[in-house]
Amino acid sequence: GQSLEQPSEVTAVEGAIVQINCTYQTSGFYGLSWYQQHDGGAPTFLSYNALDGLEETGRFSSFLSRSDSYGYLLLQELQMKDSASYFCAVRGGDMRFGAGTRLTVKP
Amino acid sequence: SQTIHQWPATLVQPVGSPLSLECTVEGTSNPNLYWYRQAAGRGLQLLFYSVGIGQISSEVPQNLSASRPQDRQFILSSKKLLLSDSGFYLCAWNLGQGASDTQYFGPGTRLTVL
Repeated sequence: GQSLEQPSEVTAVEGAIVQINCTYQTSGFYGLSWYQQHDGGAPTFLSYNALDGLEETGRFSSFLSRSDSYGYLLLQELQMKDSASYFCAVRGGDMRFGAGTRLTVKP
Repeated sequence: SQTIHQWPATLVQPVGSPLSLECTVEGTSNPNLYWYRQAAGRGLQLLFYSVGIGQISSEVPQNLSASRPQDRQFILSSKKLLLSDSGFYLCAWNLGQGASDTQYFGPGTRLTVL
């Protein structure tokens, strides 16, 4: 079967750095993605890792270790607008999502 | 540019009534299409996945069905809604494996079954 595990909640202060981990178990694997979803809205794409290593996009970075079936999303210089839910997703034959991590950024 | 449409945005339906949600994609050809459901404060549950016209993979939601009558049209249906069908329904598309592999989501339909 397929499963993705990520923490349910994370809280941090403005300007801090937060790391959201994701471990996965899938029958097929092409890559690990991260999505952001604000309350009431649809998820939006943040990053994608097909190969091991770190991908950086502005304040957000994503890491993948295929041998460990593990990845993380790193958010730097946190801003209030980063308060949202963050989902990791695995691309196998289809696209599966984790249960999401709710990030609360406090002043 | 590509656009994905979903309607209606909100829907309130009585238990036992039928359902039809429509999703259309513009600006791309032969997309992979998905239906997800999200309960309040929860993750995304994959309901259906389609790689082409008439090709539907189901995660076996018991009283829901999906159809893809055209390349860029994906329809979610039910003959009789249950209370447990309430949730946020999201249609999404991507182009398959690739360097970016972005999944694009529609605006969603918030369904309340009373």
